[in-house]
Amino acid sequence: NAGVTQTPKFRILKIGQSMTLQCAQDMNHNYMYWYRQDPGMGLKLIYYSVGAGITDKGEVPNGYNVSRSTTEDFPLRLELAAPSQTSVYFCASSRSDRGGGNEQFFGPGTRLTVL
Amino acid sequence: AQKITQTQPGMFVQEKEAVTLDCTYDTSDPSYGLFWYKQPSSGEMIFLIYQGSYDQQNATEGRYSLNFQKARKSANLVISASQLGDSAMYFCAMRETVSSGSARQLTFGSGTQLTVLP
Repeated sequence: NAGVTQTPKFRILKIGQSMTLQCAQDMNHNYMYWYRQDPGMGLKLIYYSVGAGITDKGEVPNGYNVSRSTTEDFPLRLELAAPSQTSVYFCASSRSDRGGGNEQFFGPGTRLTVL
Repeated sequence: AQKITQTQPGMFVQEKEAVTLDCTYDTSDPSYGLFWYKQPSSGEMIFLIYQGSYDQQNATEGRYSLNFQKARKSANLVISASQLGDSAMYFCAMRETVSSGSARQLTFGSGTQLTVLP
């Protein structure tokens, strides 16, 4: 199993540009999540999904959009990039959202810089 | 109020010694889960250990153990026999039962940077 994969690993955007961060998992997990991690900080939840066709906002959703057309894929769209969106973005997945043994598995992250 | 507090921005430990990383949490939910993750300099997030609020015993996973003190709302990570490869950022996180959305979410602390000295 590849686990959770993310592309690209690094990206530099100009202010106002748009891009899509790709995330895929091959563990047949229903739950998927997008986080951002600013320097020296913990992770903050942007959006999440409990299954194909169902998405929900997290703590910091402004400036982002998501879709979940399949169980495997959960892309994150940045529209009109701003310097405040410079961050490391992590995608994660889990089998469930309760109980032990249902920890979130993380992808390697995408480092995004907006200039 | 912060839901997860990690008061030690940085810690140093000598190789082969034990170290405790502090985590306190704030919740009124009677059912919750506590997680520790490791983030090495390469950036990936690695799950270490889980403790459920109703678990009777402290969780252990190899050299990692969780010192869970429910009344004090603390869930400290203990690493025994530290190794150079343990140098990393460590995050405590909590998952509550009550959620404002369609799934229970993880709330992360700000992390502790552990450096193991040779």
